[in-house]
Amino acid sequence: DGGITQSPKYLFRKEGQNVTLSCEQNLNHDAMYWYRQDPGQGLRLIYYSQIVNDFQKGDIAEGYSVSREKKESFPLTVTSAQKNPTAFYLCASSIGQGREKLFFGSGTQLSVL
Amino acid sequence: GDSVTQMEGPVTLSEEAFLTINCTYTATGYPSLFWYVQYPGEGLQLLLKATKADDKGSNKGFEATYRKETTSFHLEKGSVQVSDSAVYFCALSDEGYGNKLVFGAGTILRVKS
Repeated sequence: DGGITQSPKYLFRKEGQNVTLSCEQNLNHDAMYWYRQDPGQGLRLIYYSQIVNDFQKGDIAEGYSVSREKKESFPLTVTSAQKNPTAFYLCASSIGQGREKLFFGSGTQLSVL
Repeated sequence: GDSVTQMEGPVTLSEEAFLTINCTYTATGYPSLFWYVQYPGEGLQLLLKATKADDKGSNKGFEATYRKETTSFHLEKGSVQVSDSAVYFCALSDEGYGNKLVFGAGTILRVKS
């Protein structure tokens, strides 16, 4: 079955540590996105990528980094510069960047130890 | 900038009650409008969408009509079930915002048997 796989489901970060969240899709979609979800605040866009080897900052990119070396993979690194990383992180993809349906993964809950 | 405002939750209803979740938007262009649903511990799924004024999106008994004159896209269902308990997100995609999705804060729906 085609879909988006995020791993791990739960992740813990120590002070000063970088952690990487995995996102893989086998839908052959060009566009991929990372969103952060905080209670009562909806989803906020961190980074997005329309094609391989290209990505753009979203609304809250500070303290995060991404790469897009392969079409099917869009990992997100939460760096030590992100002072409030505890949140639910959602990866999504779409056929192209337009007014199209987004397909979401099941999310990663990141917490600080 | 573009924004989406949803009614605050949680909304608690008895089974078979009528549901309305209000959604209004602000956009610079002529947006497409969406409702996404998130079940506990999962990512979001597209519930329905509308791309132009007076369009009605519908799915699984849920409906929403694109009202340009009132900039609204309220979600309705005639008879809710316990299995409808979830978080509902209103969203828009606007050419003036690079076609990126902008989400509302989400509304928690709890249905009691």
